[in-house]
Amino acid sequence: AQTVTQSQPEMSVQEAETVTLSCTYDTSENNYYLFWYKQPPSRQMILVIRQEAYKQQNATENRFSVNFQKAAKSFSLKISDSQLGDTAMYFCAFMKWQGGSEKLVFGKGTKLTVNP
Amino acid sequence: KAGVTQTPRYLIKTRGQQVTLSCSPISGHRSVSWYQQTPGQGLQFLFEYFSETQRNKGNFPGRFSGRQFSNSRSEMNVSTLELGDSALYLCASSSDRGPNTEAFFGQGTRLTVV
Repeated sequence: AQTVTQSQPEMSVQEAETVTLSCTYDTSENNYYLFWYKQPPSRQMILVIRQEAYKQQNATENRFSVNFQKAAKSFSLKISDSQLGDTAMYFCAFMKWQGGSEKLVFGKGTKLTVNP
Repeated sequence: KAGVTQTPRYLIKTRGQQVTLSCSPISGHRSVSWYQQTPGQGLQFLFEYFSETQRNKGNFPGRFSGRQFSNSRSEMNVSTLELGDSALYLCASSSDRGPNTEAFFGQGTRLTVV
């Protein structure tokens, strides 16, 4: 079974600064996908960024980028130029895909607070 | 384009009762997944439906069941409610199966069992 670990329950950062959220996972699969989701107080989960395990290039979406280390099974999220609207719970998630599994396995989350 | 709609938003039930939660996916989406979110266990996968068929199921007791209708709307049912069933239940829809299609989440139904 796959597990996802987020070792930082809470983090805070000053507006405009950069913050990195950590995530490690455990799997014996070779083909899988990794995700970071954001859950603001409105409770709606929003996809931030996605990484395919077979791609060595780290995914980037505007101010959000990942550092994917497949051998170390590490998938950290870097948020640059933090904004007040980035305040939310952030969840790292794993999905194996072999033509049949649609299940996301989530970590316990990191609560990020951006301070003005 | 309307997002994923979950109803009701809040629900209070008594132990032993049953409850039905509803999820209307984004128009055209055929895949619907359900997750339970609690402070202790975090987010856990319940089940996934695609074209009215359950494709995947998580490790939950048989009291948890679901179905999907021909219009892709989905319901989940919990019978004989227990205090531990208190949680936020999230529904996600996607246009197709697989990780290359983005899953869009609803705002959830907050179930409180007393």
